[in-house]
Amino acid sequence: YVLTQPPSVSVAPGQTAKITCGGDNIGLKSVHWYQQKPGQAPVMVVFDNTDRRSEIPERFSGSNSGNTATLTITRVDAGDEADYFCQVWDSTTDVLFGGGTQLTVL
Amino acid sequence: QVQVLQSGAEVKTPGSSVKVSCKAAGNRFRSYTISWVRQAPGQGLEYMGRIIPMFGTTNYAQRFQGRVTLSADESTNTAHMSLHGLTIEDSALYYCAREAPHSHYMDSWGNGTTVTVSS
Repeated sequence: YVLTQPPSVSVAPGQTAKITCGGDNIGLKSVHWYQQKPGQAPVMVVFDNTDRRSEIPERFSGSNSGNTATLTITRVDAGDEADYFCQVWDSTTDVLFGGGTQLTVL
Repeated sequence: QVQVLQSGAEVKTPGSSVKVSCKAAGNRFRSYTISWVRQAPGQGLEYMGRIIPMFGTTNYAQRFQGRVTLSADESTNTAHMSLHGLTIEDSALYYCAREAPHSHYMDSWGNGTTVTVSS
């Protein structure tokens, strides 16, 4: 199983960023998203496609359907600049991460 | 969320082994699933395997089968990852994380341990 993410996404401050994660029938799987800032460990921002822990801002949301899962970040600010990774579990590959997307705030 | 603290940086020579430790806070350590993920410089995240101390069960990612050993010491709430037959390509940041047992997301990550393999 393979997860495909765009290498980079750029967005202006205050706008909405959408980071995609493509996979064969990924809509049938639970997708989790992690944010990793330079020099820091990853932080889970969305789990089970759409859930978010209380400490994660509501600006972060997830969706998953068909062959694409999407992490949406509204009202983007400079503090959101980071690498974002999607992750699933598959019966043949076990835990699998996407290649990561670098979010740049212009 | 669980506090997870990892051991310090290591420098190893090719062909040797490294052992990285991961200590979790709290009194439910034995019921956790502890996973290991590595990240080569400038690269993405790579899953290595998991251990459930309560059951003593381990699962290893296929590409690490035979080269990695996961263990846990319940008396000290510490998990260990040993990687054998090191090559230069094993130079990376190694993370442990608590993995959710059914959904397999990782909700608490350690601070990472840098392993440098150099001759």
